[in-house]
Amino acid sequence: GENVEQHPSTLSVQEGDSAVIKCTYSDSASNYFPWYKQELGKRPQLIIDIRSNVGEKKDQRIAVTLNKTAKHFSLHITETQPEDSAVYFCAASHDDMRFGAGTRLTVKP
Amino acid sequence: NAGVTQTPKFQVLKTGQSMTLQCAQDMNHEYMSWYRQDPGMGLRLIHYSVGAGITDQGEVPNGYNVSRSTTEDFPLRLLSAAPSQTSVYFCASSSSGRETQYFGPGTRLLVL
Repeated sequence: GENVEQHPSTLSVQEGDSAVIKCTYSDSASNYFPWYKQELGKRPQLIIDIRSNVGEKKDQRIAVTLNKTAKHFSLHITETQPEDSAVYFCAASHDDMRFGAGTRLTVKP
Repeated sequence: NAGVTQTPKFQVLKTGQSMTLQCAQDMNHEYMSWYRQDPGMGLRLIHYSVGAGITDQGEVPNGYNVSRSTTEDFPLRLLSAAPSQTSVYFCASSSSGRETQYFGPGTRLLVL
């Protein structure tokens, strides 16, 4: 089955800086790559996704890039704010969805 | 729409007891799945279903059973609870495995 690895496991940045989280996947047949944000005690919620026929996608301060050849994809958050502090999960999907282990992002005011 | 609902919110079991975690969705989604979340290990897929009458195993299926008799419901059964099954369990649904997963609020399970 699909194996998704996510780095780093923790990330601390100063407010206003950028944050980058990277993921790799193993199944070349995977074609859907979502990112989820989970605040403490809450359920994971989708923040952005990308499909295998697209190399980059942006939504305001958030962007995702995909390199199918290298089988890795990344989440970029610019101008970070304290409310961006949460755990972020990447995932890869073919027939079922597998998640990375998560990155705890802390944005210091 | 209620979205994805889960019951109970919190449960304490003794080792060896059995129980069923309930999950329901009202979005007419064909695809439903169960994940467990443990610290530092992300969300691990237990079982999933691509439609009524069809289920399949995920990464960590041992000790769990599922059934999908209707499109709306996807219960998860713990056959004989073990302390290693202490976790937060999330149910999710979507139109397919390659679309946005909508998560329920989670069930926190403690096995003593």
